[in-house]
Amino acid sequence: KAGVTQTPRYLIKTRGQQVTLSCSPISGHRSVSWYQQTPGQGLQFLFEYFSETQRNKGNFPGRFSGRQFSNSRSEMNVSTLELGDSALYLCASSLVPGQPQHFGDGTRLSIL
Amino acid sequence: KQEVTQIPAALSVPEGENLVLNCSFTDSAIYNLQWFRQDPGKGLTSLLLIQSSQREQTSGRLNASLDKSSGRSTLYIAASQPGDSATYLCAVLNQAGTALIFGKGTTLSVSS
Repeated sequence: KAGVTQTPRYLIKTRGQQVTLSCSPISGHRSVSWYQQTPGQGLQFLFEYFSETQRNKGNFPGRFSGRQFSNSRSEMNVSTLELGDSALYLCASSLVPGQPQHFGDGTRLSIL
Repeated sequence: KQEVTQIPAALSVPEGENLVLNCSFTDSAIYNLQWFRQDPGKGLTSLLLIQSSQREQTSGRLNASLDKSSGRSTLYIAASQPGDSATYLCAVLNQAGTALIFGKGTTLSVSS
């Protein structure tokens, strides 16, 4: 059974640009969550989707957005990139909310 | 606001030692608690999940306990091996089941 797949693995952007990250959950999993990991702040919750609905969002500015498709795949978008957005972005999926979350290897985003 | 603290931040032990990693959280209204392992440059691997109604879970050389009333969890690793070297993260799932709140982790180094 394939795990959570995140693409791309690495991304380099410049300030002011926008970026879209993709996450394919484990087959059959309907809940997808996104997290940002930085050395200073650690792992922070971004948002959670279940059945194409965003059910919760963390304390991040509106530049961070996401969506979930009918096949449970999810994308997150960051507009007007800032240097501080450099981080490892992790996606996790679970069968339904409350079940164990399984993580992908992440997308490492670097802002120049 | 839920806060998760892990002590110690780093730990170095010789191979074969038994060790305990600590996790504390400020709000006892949790859905469950999960322990993860993260290797450098990788995503998170789920080790153990304890439901809020449970007291402990075991998997091989790992044993995790949960005392919800005092806001504490411990991860016990028996007979440590060099392959156990990694960062161990504790996370609580909020009561709505929508967001994992993480501690900053304990980085473990096991020398042979």
